[in-house]
Amino acid sequence: GNSVTQMEGPVTLSEEAFLTINCTYTATGYPSLFWYVQYPGEGLQLLLKATKADDKGSNKGFEATYRKETTSFHLEKGSVQVSDSAVYFCALTDQAGTALIFGKGTTLSVSS
Amino acid sequence: GAGVSQSPRYKVAKRGQDVALRCDPISGHVSLFWYQQALGQGPEFLTYFQNEAQLDKSGLPSDRFFAERPEGSVSTLKIQRTQQEDSAVYLCASSLAGGHSSYNEQFFGPGTRLTVL
Repeated sequence: GNSVTQMEGPVTLSEEAFLTINCTYTATGYPSLFWYVQYPGEGLQLLLKATKADDKGSNKGFEATYRKETTSFHLEKGSVQVSDSAVYFCALTDQAGTALIFGKGTTLSVSS
Repeated sequence: GAGVSQSPRYKVAKRGQDVALRCDPISGHVSLFWYQQALGQGPEFLTYFQNEAQLDKSGLPSDRFFAERPEGSVSTLKIQRTQQEDSAVYLCASSLAGGHSSYNEQFFGPGTRLTVL
């Protein structure tokens, strides 16, 4: 079945540093890909998504490109802020295209 | 508008007790999902409803887990004879449409943290 592997954390950065969190996937068919974020004390929120190859999802300065040739969907941000400290989850749709399959999550800690 | 709500937010149960976790999806959302999130892990799919029909229950870990959505709105996840390994956060999510559309965003509730002693 479909699966996702994401970079283990924690990731600790200084404010304004460049962020990359790696995510690779295994899938049959053409899944949709997502990044979800969980801020401290809050529920999971969709950060960005891409539904087909070469699509770029973007939101709040974060970007990720759906790369079919490398089966990757790496999350990037050019300049992180303290408020970006959270747990980030890479996810894809299952083979039925309904439920989500999540990675284990990467904790990002940004200090000023 | 109101998002997905779940109750209780925290539940402590003694091993062997039955528990019931409630999910109120966003009004009008057709699809409803339950996920289990163990400590330090990503959420794992448990079951999926489209209206009142349970279309997929392949993720339920054992026959002690049962979910229902009798009127196509509120859903209850019941765990019978709880075990310590059931300790986790149980997340509910809802989405507007059903079926195999290109994508319907899933909106997540805050979760219920279950601790089994």
